[in-house]
Amino acid sequence: SSELTQDPAVSVALGQTVRITCQGDSLRSYYANWYQQKPGQAPVLVIYGRNNRPSGIPDRFSGSSSGNTASLTITGAQAEDEADYYCNSRDSSGNPRMFGGGTKLTVL
Amino acid sequence: QVQLVQSGAEVKKPGASVMVSCKASGYTFTSYFLHWVRQAPGQGLEWMGIINPSGGSTTYAQNFQGRVTMTRDTSTSTVYMELSSLRSEDSAVYYCARDMVRGVIDYWGQGTLVTVSS
Repeated sequence: SSELTQDPAVSVALGQTVRITCQGDSLRSYYANWYQQKPGQAPVLVIYGRNNRPSGIPDRFSGSSSGNTASLTITGAQAEDEADYYCNSRDSSGNPRMFGGGTKLTVL
Repeated sequence: QVQLVQSGAEVKKPGASVMVSCKASGYTFTSYFLHWVRQAPGQGLEWMGIINPSGGSTTYAQNFQGRVTMTRDTSTSTVYMELSSLRSEDSAVYYCARDMVRGVIDYWGQGTLVTVSS
């Protein structure tokens, strides 16, 4: 399958830990990257590769992978983490051909 | 700092073409590939294709083959995306985005809203 599947919506209580998952066959071969998108803004890279955070991304964001499932974990979710989160994966040419459908995270 | 600045919003009629530009600054233009990704209202992200600013080679997503053309102008550090035969379903925000390494996108433009309406 060339698709990446995400839960449409997830909620978390303020300060608690939440895991957002992404499933797809390509994830057996390649790591997922994760992007955060707030309303009216462009996406922002939060996790890439095995578990790498770009400069400026808080260390409460982490990534992991097992089999065909990649996960983005936010440990101690903050109100500002409320956003849509998209996973994506590359193909053998290195192109990010697939994006997941996105998960809307609500921080309660 | 790295910046990708895109052209302004466009309104087009069905069947027309649109060209969106993306001017890069703050880094060596020819050293990083650039992607185009679009997002329809309330929908997710859709990868359209990639261009190598160094040689101009391109790879397009299958969904857009035959309708999209990506070009670049190294003298102005600008890439262009032209989409033809527009239909209402092409109404979306179009982003250019820099490839950090093998499909990891590290910088995005501000987006360009394209509206297709009769």
